[in-house]
Amino acid sequence: AQKVTQTQTSISVMEKTTVTMDCVYETQDSSYFLFWYKQTASGEIVFLIRQDSYKKENATVGHYSLNFQKPKSSIGLIITATQIEDSAVYFCAMREGGGGYKVVFGSGTRLLVSP
Amino acid sequence: EAAVTQSPRNKVTVTGGNVTLSCRQTNSHNYMYWYRQDTGHGLRLIHYSYGAGNLQIGDVPDGYKATRTTQEDFFLLLELASPSQTSLYFCASSDDWGGGQNTLYFGAGTRLSVL
Repeated sequence: AQKVTQTQTSISVMEKTTVTMDCVYETQDSSYFLFWYKQTASGEIVFLIRQDSYKKENATVGHYSLNFQKPKSSIGLIITATQIEDSAVYFCAMREGGGGYKVVFGSGTRLLVSP
Repeated sequence: EAAVTQSPRNKVTVTGGNVTLSCRQTNSHNYMYWYRQDTGHGLRLIHYSYGAGNLQIGDVPDGYKATRTTQEDFFLLLELASPSQTSLYFCASSDDWGGGQNTLYFGAGTRLSVL
């Protein structure tokens, strides 16, 4: 069964610094898709970035990038030049590639960015 | 922009009561999902569906029924509500593999309290 684990419950950083959030996953499938979502203080959940398991290049979108380490079943989210508005809860998620479209999430990491 | 609308936004019921949470998406997405969010657990999948009349079991289905009446509408039913079902419920929709991102678009959530 697929499983996603985020062990960091909260992280505090200063503005303009770089932060990395950890995520490890378990799956039996050789093909899968990994996602990061952000939940803002208002409760809104939005998609940030995605990594396909067959791609070797780490995905990058704006100031978000991924550190995909397939042998370690790890997909870290890196936020560079953090801003106050990056303060939120970040969820890691996975969908297996077998066509079932089941998407499971980790427990989330709360990020606090201070001025 | 993808649109997922949940109703009601807030609901209070008593133990043993009947509750129906509604979700409508106007994205023409085939996949729809129900999650519950609880502190320390992140987002846990209750049920999901890939089209009208279809239902797939998630990871925490006990005490919940769901029904997908049309491509647009997905309902979550609590027939004998218990205090353990007090939670924040999110509905989401997702496109299929063919050309889309397979990302989830979330509704604003329904906060349910079972007294």
